Amino acid sequence: EPEVTQTPSHQVTQMGQEVILRCVPISNHLYFYWYRQILGQKVEFLVSFYNNEISEKSEIFDDQFSVERPDGSNFTLKIRSTKLEDSAMYFCASSRLTTYNEQFFGPGTRLTVL
Amino acid sequence: AQSVTQPDIHITVSEGASLELRCNYSYGATPYLFWYVQSPGQGLQLLLKYFSGDTLVQGIKGFEAEFKRSQSSFNLRKPSVHWSDAAEYFCAVGSDSWGKLQFGAGTQVVVTP
Repeated sequence: EPEVTQTPSHQVTQMGQEVILRCVPISNHLYFYWYRQILGQKVEFLVSFYNNEISEKSEIFDDQFSVERPDGSNFTLKIRSTKLEDSAMYFCASSRLTTYNEQFFGPGTRLTVL
Repeated sequence: AQSVTQPDIHITVSEGASLELRCNYSYGATPYLFWYVQSPGQGLQLLLKYFSGDTLVQGIKGFEAEFKRSQSSFNLRKPSVHWSDAAEYFCAVGSDSWGKLQFGAGTQVVVTP
């Protein structure tokens, strides 16, 4: 069964460093998302992406964040200058265009900012 | 603004007993409703979904959920839990066809022998 994959599974970085989290969505999906879950808190929406542009973003998704689909398979989330409060589990999700909101999630990348 | 409430932070249930997890939503139009499960160290797995039609929906792993518009609820049930059902369960609501999901705070389920 096709699945969303994410790399790395765990990333440790120093405050102020740039990180890139990578995702490979399911191949026939056209809508892509990033969510995050700070330890002990609820899963929060960050951004959705369709047709090579951001379709919606939350207030969390400020200028330090960016997303990109650099080729036909990868979908990346970049944090330019990480802060301690960026430590969280980051989930990528994808959905088919014709399936209302049914999003399939990857296993997540745990980001630890020191 | 839409919101999702899961009133129970933590539930302990004996193996073989029934389980019901509560979810209430606030949304003006017909919502798209989901239940996801997260096992320790794992991602979010979709258990079931409701878009329209029959208000009782069947999902994977023997779970079902009932949409009750009058109560703004979408409660998840399982008649007989297994030890492998120990996990965190999230209710989520989607506001439009391809938009963001808003998640509840989650309910941690512990299964005792």
